[in-house]
Amino acid sequence: DQQVKQNSPSLSVQEGRISILNCDYTNSMFDYFLWYKKYPAEGPTFLISISSIKDKNEDGRFTVFLNKSAKHLSLHIVPSQPGDSAVYFCAARTGTASKLTFGTGTRLQVTL
Amino acid sequence: ETGVTQSPTHLIKTRGQQVTLRCSSQSGHNTVSWYQQALGQGPQFIFQYYREEENGRGNFPPRFSGLQFPNYSSELNVNALELDDSALYLCASSGEREGETQYFGPGTRLLVL
Repeated sequence: DQQVKQNSPSLSVQEGRISILNCDYTNSMFDYFLWYKKYPAEGPTFLISISSIKDKNEDGRFTVFLNKSAKHLSLHIVPSQPGDSAVYFCAARTGTASKLTFGTGTRLQVTL
Repeated sequence: ETGVTQSPTHLIKTRGQQVTLRCSSQSGHNTVSWYQQALGQGPQFIFQYYREEENGRGNFPPRFSGLQFPNYSSELNVNALELDDSALYLCASSGEREGETQYFGPGTRLLVL
């Protein structure tokens, strides 16, 4: 049972444009969400997070939006840069639980 | 401040063998979590250690076991290796407060033949 889903395995965006990565979840007990970026041969790097009491969190070029009623979150990257090319994972957590539940990832390719 | 480190980077074993993977947590962190990432999948939670005690476990059989040492470094041991254990094993560390963000190491890629 995949509780966190990233239905787009890949996304290609031109440099300077907006990248929108989507994530859906089924477990209504999730109340904290994170995005990680992963380059080949490296571990996932924390990007940005959002608590369920908010619907938006922004950090520089990265903004995460949360729609609790739709159980959907998205990561917006504006403007996209070639260095953003990586696999992006959405993850979710219940309260202060130790376990992160990850999606299967979306590979973002930012082209020149 | 040093980040999370893992050793070895790559490992090849045969079915039935045992393997030990190692992780050093980020400076100031006392919690270590282990994840298995199979090809094309997201990381799957194995277990977490906090102050040398297991503090949560995912859906993995008992042949997956761990340890945390007084310096907060950690080991993941897998006995009776199976072909499906081939994966990237990731270690993540986090700080004292509950719910703190987990920071990942580069992983150990294990191939079981």
